[in-house]
Amino acid sequence: KAGVTQTPRYLIKTRGQQVTLSCSPISGHRSVSWYQQTPGQGLQFLFEYFSETQRNKGNFPGRFSGRQFSNSRSEMNVSTLELGDSALYLCASSHLLNEKLFFGSGTQLSVL
Amino acid sequence: DAKTTQPPSMDCAEGRAANLPCNHSTISGNEYVYWYRQIHSQGPQYIIHGLKNNETNEMASLIITEDRKSSTLILPHATLRDTAVYYCIVRVGTGNQFYFGTGTSLTVIP
Repeated sequence: KAGVTQTPRYLIKTRGQQVTLSCSPISGHRSVSWYQQTPGQGLQFLFEYFSETQRNKGNFPGRFSGRQFSNSRSEMNVSTLELGDSALYLCASSHLLNEKLFFGSGTQLSVL
Repeated sequence: DAKTTQPPSMDCAEGRAANLPCNHSTISGNEYVYWYRQIHSQGPQYIIHGLKNNETNEMASLIITEDRKSSTLILPHATLRDTAVYYCIVRVGTGNQFYFGTGTSLTVIP
């Protein structure tokens, strides 16, 4: 069974632009979560989707948004990029809620 | 406030047991303790989890104190490939929102 797939693996953007990251969960998994990892703040929860509904949202500004499609694939969008948005963005999936997470390898976003 | 507290770094000799401690004094009665590890530039990898009983799987053992305020992850025979950052985490509320904390950077020394 294929693991969690995130695309693209690397991305370079400039301040003010917007970006969309994609995540394909493990087949059959219905929950997708997103995390941001930076050297200073570590791993921080962004949001979580289950059956196309956002269930939880972390403490991030409204520039960060996401969605989940009927096939459980998920996208997250960051608008008006700032230098501080440079980070590794990780997606994780689980079959149901309250289960262990399987993480993808992440998308490394650099904002110049 | 921090959900978990771990030492920032530890060393372990190859072939010896690595014992990684974690304090989670504010854990609620129905909150599980999870352990993940992250090798540089990869996504975190699930290791083990438990509620109040000790758990063992093919990767590690998890010892949780009776009062559930702390736990220890044990890698019985550490190898160089076990060098990673190890996170002791608890779930925040319902769903799959986890608090990761700062983790312990484990270095296995030849």
